[in-house]
Amino acid sequence: EIVLTQSPGTLSLSPGERATLSCRASQSVSSSYLAWYQQKPGQAPRLLIYGASSRATGIPDRFSGSGSGTDFTLTISRLEPEDFAVYYCQQYGSSPTFGQGTKVEIK
Amino acid sequence: QITLKESGPTLVKPTQTLTLTCTFSGFSLSTSGVGVGWIRQPPGKALEWLALIYWDDDKRYSPSLKSRLTITKDTSKNQVVLTMTNMDPVDTATYYCAHSPRVAAGLLDVWGQGTTVTVSS
Repeated sequence: EIVLTQSPGTLSLSPGERATLSCRASQSVSSSYLAWYQQKPGQAPRLLIYGASSRATGIPDRFSGSGSGTDFTLTISRLEPEDFAVYYCQQYGSSPTFGQGTKVEIK
Repeated sequence: QITLKESGPTLVKPTQTLTLTCTFSGFSLSTSGVGVGWIRQPPGKALEWLALIYWDDDKRYSPSLKSRLTITKDTSKNQVVLTMTNMDPVDTATYYCAHSPRVAAGLLDVWGQGTTVTVSS
């Protein structure tokens, strides 16, 4: 089973700042089957990024994903008030797993 | 438009079996490549992937929970059912079902609202 480790656990930033979230896998993620989800309190997760770098339908271009192999990054170029949430990475190979999440909070 | 909705008991007793139903619309589980997965989230904790069933009845389970889980589908009813045996208070969580698209097996692109299950005597 692939273990995903997200860092940092919490990111304290102000609106307008850039957020950089990391997801590291215990072994190589095949074919960049890496996704990012956003979850707000009381809501279901929402798909942001798949294939490591492709934005899902309707996702603003301030969200971008990069990386391959074992190291992946989600970048939010300029934080909007609605972006403060918890973000999870997921590898969706044969036995999918999630990371433990990064909370992006208002500084 | 794809929608999914989870249903089932809100309270189960320890050692009982939990049965959850995901009822969906906007797609067919007979379409090649499509799947439906289950994920759970204990209060204040991270997401945990549980199981996934594909259009061809291929089934995948979390290795740590495989012995307790069964996932089935009823294509005619547009439903997927997850059963989890021997429930324990640590299984208290919100349980989600989600659509897995044909182009990316295992990806979860549309989620249901979730259903909360409490395990307590």
